[in-house]
Amino acid sequence: EIVLTQSPATLSLSPGERATLSCRASQSVNNRLGWIQQNPGQAPRLLIYDASYRATGIPARFSGSGSGTDFTLTISSLEPEDFAVYYCQQGNNWPLTFGQGTKVEIK
Amino acid sequence: EVQLVESGGGLVQPGGSLRLSCAASGFTFSTYNMNWVRQVPGKGLEWISYISSSSNIIYYADSVKGRFTISRDNAKNSLYLQMNSLRDEDTAVYFCARDLSYWGQGTLVTVSS
Repeated sequence: EIVLTQSPATLSLSPGERATLSCRASQSVNNRLGWIQQNPGQAPRLLIYDASYRATGIPARFSGSGSGTDFTLTISSLEPEDFAVYYCQQGNNWPLTFGQGTKVEIK
Repeated sequence: EVQLVESGGGLVQPGGSLRLSCAASGFTFSTYNMNWVRQVPGKGLEWISYISSSSNIIYYADSVKGRFTISRDNAKNSLYLQMNSLRDEDTAVYFCARDLSYWGQGTLVTVSS
């Protein structure tokens, strides 16, 4: 099973600031890496797939990068609705696995 | 608009059974692979099962293998999860997801005596 480790666990930032979230895989996932956002009490939403492609309707302030085992989600300028929990997820090997999440909170 | 609506959750005793349903609309259901993912309240996401568009490929997480069965009815645009031999640790919100691109709102399953 591929283990995904996200850092930091919590990120405290102010609106307008840049957020950088990391995800490290225990082995290569061949860029089959996605980022998912979840607000409290809401359904998860796919932001990024295949490491760097924005999903339909996702604003350009969200970007993904990385390859192999190390990946990054960047939010260029935080909007109020971006304060949420973010999960990385790999789709290269079964079972599909998720990271433990990074909470982006208002400072 | 893609819509996924789960139903069938509720309170069940340990050892009991429950069948979850997911009604899909807004896309050609029969051409997409589907997943079930669960989330213990306040915790992270756990993938539990996958079914291909034609039901010929199915996978399960080890935590539910042998107890849960995924299925679909393409004529009814519906996905199912039959859950047997339920345990306390199966208590979670269960989401259906299309390719993990679109998710339903989830249905809560509580296993407790």
